[in-house]
Amino acid sequence: DQQVKQNSPSLSVQEGRISILNCDYTNSMFDYFLWYKKYPAEGPTFLISISSIKDKNEDGRFTVFLNKSAKHLSLHIVPSQPGDSAVYFCAASPPLSGNTPLVFGKGTRLSVIA
Amino acid sequence: GAGVSQSPSNKVTEKGKDVELRCDPISGHTALYWYRQSLGQGLEFLIYFQGNSAPDKSGLPSDRFSAERTGGSVSTLTIQRTQQEDSAVYLCASNQQGPLVLYGYTFGSGTRLTVV
Repeated sequence: DQQVKQNSPSLSVQEGRISILNCDYTNSMFDYFLWYKKYPAEGPTFLISISSIKDKNEDGRFTVFLNKSAKHLSLHIVPSQPGDSAVYFCAASPPLSGNTPLVFGKGTRLSVIA
Repeated sequence: GAGVSQSPSNKVTEKGKDVELRCDPISGHTALYWYRQSLGQGLEFLIYFQGNSAPDKSGLPSDRFSAERTGGSVSTLTIQRTQQEDSAVYLCASNQQGPLVLYGYTFGSGTRLTVV
């Protein structure tokens, strides 16, 4: 049973426009949420995160929004650039006890078209 | 080293053979994780180490899979009697002690395993 779901396998956006990637989760005990970006033949790289006590975190062109009541988070990229084309994974952290492994979604492939 | 290093980067093996995948985490990172990504799937957790101990092995798909970590550093994931469904990219990650939300994991580039 998937605890972290990314229901859109792919997304295409024009350069300069906003990209919105969505993620839903089922476990209300998740404490932290992270987004990773993955290029082909490379490992995922940490992009941005948010604690469950916040509803927004911004870092440059990237903003993550968290709606706890809906168990939903989203990653906004504004403006989108061709170099943003990659697979984006949403991940959630169970309540911290040691280094409990992150739970990942299946990813969304973003294509930014010039 | 500067990053998480995995070897080999690619491995093609015949069905039924054993394989060993290696991970060198970032120096000083106490926690080490193994995930795999099969075609069209997300990152599936396999096992993690805290130091040399493995508190959580729940993700290992079968008893053909095992892993060890020595000296709180290098880890080896071993798959015995490989099957075609074992074909995937095997990713290793490590993280330092501290707020996960600030640091996340650092992943290696992975080992692409193909069982023919």
